[in-house]
Amino acid sequence: DAGVIQSPRHEVTEMGQEVTLRCKPISGHNSLFWYRQTMMRGLELLIYFNNNVPIDDSGMPEDRFSAKMPNASFSTLKIQPSEPRDSAVYFCASSLVWDRPNTEAFFGQGTRLTVV
Amino acid sequence: EDKVVQSPLSLVVHEGDTVTLNCSYEVTNFRSLLWYKQEKKAPTFLFMLTSSGIEKKSGRLSSILDKKELFSILNITATQTGDSAVYLCAVDRGNNDMRFGAGTRLTVKP
Repeated sequence: DAGVIQSPRHEVTEMGQEVTLRCKPISGHNSLFWYRQTMMRGLELLIYFNNNVPIDDSGMPEDRFSAKMPNASFSTLKIQPSEPRDSAVYFCASSLVWDRPNTEAFFGQGTRLTVV
Repeated sequence: EDKVVQSPLSLVVHEGDTVTLNCSYEVTNFRSLLWYKQEKKAPTFLFMLTSSGIEKKSGRLSSILDKKELFSILNITATQTGDSAVYLCAVDRGNNDMRFGAGTRLTVKP
């Protein structure tokens, strides 16, 4: 398996534009997580899904952020409209939960977002 | 509010030194504690700890959990320059709902 795949790897956009980050979890994994990493706040959990259903989105900073998981092999994190303070590295991670509790999460390579 | 606190925030040592990284936590639901190593890319998994007092080892790295005192340590012996990274501690509150600490930035000088 190629691991968790995120795209794009880098994104530079202008303030006010819509940004869509994509993630393909490891095949067979039931849980998917979106994290944001900044120098100031470290790694923060934004939202996670179990079996494609959002379980906890309390980490989503505001209504400009939304995430979807239309099927087991794809998820998106959308920011609309984007702001400079959204600049960060966004990580997606997946894990196998229901069959094997207490398994580690595997991270994608991240998307570095710069909003100018 | 759940929190995970790592110390020190940064550490500079020389090759061959032994280092101990600390992670303390306060969470409402505890499932496990995980250690990750992050270099220039995504965090890579090191250890998962669920029971107190059982040391996990992988080469020069080892880790142990104390669920009574709510902390874990990560030890690295005979450090090498390749150990330079940010080491992240995370507490799984269930279903991999993890809360991360701020990390310890380790720099190993030749």
